Amino acid sequence: EAQVTQNPRYLITVTGKKLTVTCSQNMNHEYMSWYRQDPGLGLRQIYYSMNVEVTDKGDVPEGYKVSRKEKRNFPLILESPSPNQTSLYFCASKSGGRGNEQFFGPGTRLTVL
Amino acid sequence: AQSVTQPDIHITVSEGASLELRCNYSYGATPYLFWYVQSPGQGLQLLLKYFSGDTLVQGIKGFEAEFKRSQSSFNLRKPSVHWSDAAEYFCAASGTGGTPLVFGKGTRLSVIA
Repeated sequence: EAQVTQNPRYLITVTGKKLTVTCSQNMNHEYMSWYRQDPGLGLRQIYYSMNVEVTDKGDVPEGYKVSRKEKRNFPLILESPSPNQTSLYFCASKSGGRGNEQFFGPGTRLTVL
Repeated sequence: AQSVTQPDIHITVSEGASLELRCNYSYGATPYLFWYVQSPGQGLQLLLKYFSGDTLVQGIKGFEAEFKRSQSSFNLRKPSVHWSDAAEYFCAASGTGGTPLVFGKGTRLSVIA
């Protein structure tokens, strides 16, 4: 089944404790992206990647890191999480064609205490 | 700057009534346009998309959307709403140059009996 998977789905952590949220897709998509969703703000893009070893900042990259060493994986790294990073995070992927549909993962709900 | 606006934060309709959700975009050229739906606790699912051609686009679950260049709008419609349509709806756009997807802030739809 074609899908985007994220792990963990739920995470509660404390300020300053490094964490990684994994994202994997099995559709051989070139493009992958991370979003955060907050009430009243919709989805805002954190980082995106056009292909392996190619990443770029989105609208709200501060406090996040990403890497794209393999085509299928695009982990999101919070080196020193803070409470303002408490949010619902979505990973998405799409093939490289212009305007193609993005497929979204199920989301990761992160709480930083 | 490129932007997508959904003027209605929350809409309530009766089951069986018609629905229209508004979306306006601000782009230098006509972007690719999308409508996504997010059911409670779920990820985002694509309802429909517009690239070019026929300005009335049919999607899944009985939804349609009409692109109006003169109004920079891409409103979502459904002739008869079902209780299962209660969800949050996001309009999104991306530039034809393959620029990242920009989301509106969403419209929450409630359906009453």
